[in-house]
Amino acid sequence: AQSVTQPDIHITVSEGASLELRCNYSYGATPYLFWYVQSPGQGLQLLLKYFSGDTLVQGIKGFEAEFKRSQSSFNLRKPSVHWSDAAEYFCAVAGYSGGGADGLTFGKGTHLIIQP
Amino acid sequence: DVKVTQSSRYLVKRTGEKVFLECVQDMDHENMFWYRQDPGLGLRLIYFSYDVKMKEKGDIPEGYSVSREKKERFSLILESASTNQTSMYLCASSRTSLGDYEQYFGPGTRLTVT
Repeated sequence: AQSVTQPDIHITVSEGASLELRCNYSYGATPYLFWYVQSPGQGLQLLLKYFSGDTLVQGIKGFEAEFKRSQSSFNLRKPSVHWSDAAEYFCAVAGYSGGGADGLTFGKGTHLIIQP
Repeated sequence: DVKVTQSSRYLVKRTGEKVFLECVQDMDHENMFWYRQDPGLGLRLIYFSYDVKMKEKGDIPEGYSVSREKKERFSLILESASTNQTSMYLCASSRTSLGDYEQYFGPGTRLTVT
């Protein structure tokens, strides 16, 4: 069974500073990886996804993530954070059988706090 | 734009009541999912469905059942609500086509069982 680890429960970053959120996955085949963001009181919004090809993936809101198979990682980065980036961030991996998607396995989330 | 809607944003029920949470998607997606979200635990998969009248157990199905009579609608049922089912419930949908497992989420239903 697949699993996702987000080692940092909380991260505090100053506005304008760079950001990296860590994600490690465990999956037996080629993973389908996602980063979602959840603002307070909101549902989940997809930031970016990786299926194959270029290992550096660009997403919305200036975010990017790099897939590193050798490290089983899919870390999320942003060069300069804004106060509006304060939210909960979830990394996820898709399991699948021959019939379709089996649902996403999520990490426990990283709560991002932005300091003025 | 894909839209996934959930019948209620907030719900308060009493212990032992039968509770229905409804989810509707408007993009003709084959797959639909129910998750619960709890602080410090992330999202956990309760049930999912590949097609009408099909259902599969997720990681935490105990105490829940589901119904999918129409392609666009997926209901989560708490047969006898208990306080440990107080949580945020999120519905999602996705296409079956190979290479696209992106899930689209609804806004969530915050259920409190007293």
